[in-house]
Amino acid sequence: AQSVTQLDSHVSVSEGTPVLLRCNYSSSYSPSLFWYVQHPNKGLQLLLKYTSAATLVKGINGFEAEFKKSETSFHLTKPSAHMSDAAEYFCVVSGPSSGGSYIPTFGRGTSLIVHP
Amino acid sequence: DTGVSQDPRHKITKRGQNVTFRCDPISEHNRLYWYRQTLGQGPEFLTYFQNEAQLEKSRLLSDRFSAERPKGSFSTLEIQRTEQGDSAMYLCASSLASIGTSSTDTQYFGPGTRLTVL
Repeated sequence: AQSVTQLDSHVSVSEGTPVLLRCNYSSSYSPSLFWYVQHPNKGLQLLLKYTSAATLVKGINGFEAEFKKSETSFHLTKPSAHMSDAAEYFCVVSGPSSGGSYIPTFGRGTSLIVHP
Repeated sequence: DTGVSQDPRHKITKRGQNVTFRCDPISEHNRLYWYRQTLGQGPEFLTYFQNEAQLEKSRLLSDRFSAERPKGSFSTLEIQRTEQGDSAMYLCASSLASIGTSSTDTQYFGPGTRLTVL
């Protein structure tokens, strides 16, 4: 069984300040972890993924995430927010289902609000 | 643009009617996924195909739901006897997967079909 918890439903920051979106996961196996972004009226887009290589993963648009097994966390960060970062962000864990397939489980999402 | 496309983008129907959605994946992708997303929630997995074979179905997928991918290319999702609780965004995604790497597949999502059941 696997699950993912996004600890904040909304995060509000000012442009130019750091962003932290928190994600905790639960998995019986060594999971793969992803962050996706969803802009209004646009499809989900992959930001980055962890696949058991480096624990610090760099993604697109200056985002990065650190896999911490001891804390079962995969928080998403960015040093300086841009107005264009305002969107819904989803943390995803992928592990084997009872049928043997790797099925992604999405968190409920965190809405990032960026103020001028 | 050769991304994932979905048709229609919006569908309004009356309770009890049948609806069918289509998804066209990225052409060389062998895996195709269907998800449902309701307001304020993340996408929930419904089913997926490896080529034309439907390999897994969620318990969310009631008997009123059926999906096909007859030639391993486009896919359809049909909902029979729609209910108001079926109102949601239905998302399709595709990926290029090799055996043993499916956990790390990057899925490419379409824009979704928004279903409203009156």
